[in-house]
Amino acid sequence: DGGITQSPKYLFRKEGQNVTLSCEQNLNHDAMYWYRQDPGQGLRLIYYSQIVNDFQKGDIAEGYSVSREKKESFPLTVTSAQKNPTAFYLCASSMAGTGTYEQYFGPGTRLTVT
Amino acid sequence: RKEVEQDPGPFNVPEGATVAFNCTYSNSASQSFFWYRQDCRKEPKLLMSVYSSGNEDGRFTAQLNRASQYISLLIRDSKLSDSATYLCVVNGNTGRRALTFGSGTRLQVQP
Repeated sequence: DGGITQSPKYLFRKEGQNVTLSCEQNLNHDAMYWYRQDPGQGLRLIYYSQIVNDFQKGDIAEGYSVSREKKESFPLTVTSAQKNPTAFYLCASSMAGTGTYEQYFGPGTRLTVT
Repeated sequence: RKEVEQDPGPFNVPEGATVAFNCTYSNSASQSFFWYRQDCRKEPKLLMSVYSSGNEDGRFTAQLNRASQYISLLIRDSKLSDSATYLCVVNGNTGRRALTFGSGTRLQVQP
């Protein structure tokens, strides 16, 4: 089955530690995205990538880093510089091109930092 | 002004009712519009794209009004399983080809 996987589903970390969230897709999509969702709020874009080896900052990139070494994979690192890292993190993918295409989401990772 | 605005609700309706949600967007250059559904503590899932001429998928009808910059979603014959948060989504910042999500409208269908 084609889809997007994220792991782990739940993650607990101590303050001051970096943590990397995994996102893999086998939809053959060129574009991938990371969002953060806080309770009762909408999705906010952290980083996105339209093609391998290239990525751009979204609206709230501070304290996060990404890499895009393979088409299928777009891991997100939450660094100790991120002031409020506890949130629901969602990865998405879409076709890329001159238009804007619908995005498909993975199941998400709930990160709790104490 | 937010790029995409929605009434947060909740909309509490009985089974079988017809319910409508509206959403306004600020960027008149936006070209792509979608409705997503998000269940509690789950990921958003694409419900339908919204086309200029309006489109229907079973009990769901989406309309786009470019002049007034709003999008609507109509749900007929509501089911208990329709209870969820409905997200209005627009490609607000066309320069970066990314989507902007509204905060969502919560629907609770009651027996």
